[in-house]
Amino acid sequence: QVQLQESGPGQVKPSQTLSLTCTVSGDSISIGGYYWTWIRQHPGKGLEWIGYIHHSGSTFYNPSLKSRLTTSVDTSKNQFFLRLTSVTAADTAVYYCARGWYSSSWYFDFWGQGTLVTVSS
Amino acid sequence: QSVLTQPPSVSGAPGQRVTISCTGASSNIGAGYDVHWYQQLPGTAPKLLIFDNNNRPSGVPDRISGTKSGTSASLAITGLQAEDEADYYCQSYDSSLSGVVVFGGGTKLTVL
Repeated sequence: QVQLQESGPGQVKPSQTLSLTCTVSGDSISIGGYYWTWIRQHPGKGLEWIGYIHHSGSTFYNPSLKSRLTTSVDTSKNQFFLRLTSVTAADTAVYYCARGWYSSSWYFDFWGQGTLVTVSS
Repeated sequence: QSVLTQPPSVSGAPGQRVTISCTGASSNIGAGYDVHWYQQLPGTAPKLLIFDNNNRPSGVPDRISGTKSGTSASLAITGLQAEDEADYYCQSYDSSLSGVVVFGGGTKLTVL
């Protein structure tokens, strides 16, 4: 069974950088055609796709976040990472990592439990 | 304002059938991109319910089904049960601008 687990600070100060790690077990990030994805959910709101990274290093980001976003992968640790710079209160959300697969559009078959990140001074 | 439009809420009595609509446009569902559905129980992560319009992952009961036609899609749940009470989201891809994965705004299903 594939499992994903997010980790990182629960609170980040405005204008600073939000950094999260997703640790994958039960599957190898470096094998296959999966897209390792970040999705967030603002409090009481719907889901927002952030972006993905493939083990080859290719990335695809939400245009609304692209200028502040970097993702990376460490295949030796079976982890992938999110880095979002210049955060504001609008970045307060539950952040999920997920495994994505592409058919004629991406879908996400396994998700982490999510981690709440609050942007506050 | 979500690119995919869902009703904010639907409800039904135990045993009944409910449907949740997901309305898109020519740049997403109407362009032929597949639609996927997720169930989110309170306080938990979303769970994939339907992929590629009408396929169920292993473990999802066959009383849950999906359809797609034109610029819209629907999720149907028959034999409604108390444990179906949750938020439901549709998701697809939109090719406008630089392209983006898009979700519907979500529908709260209440089992009366």
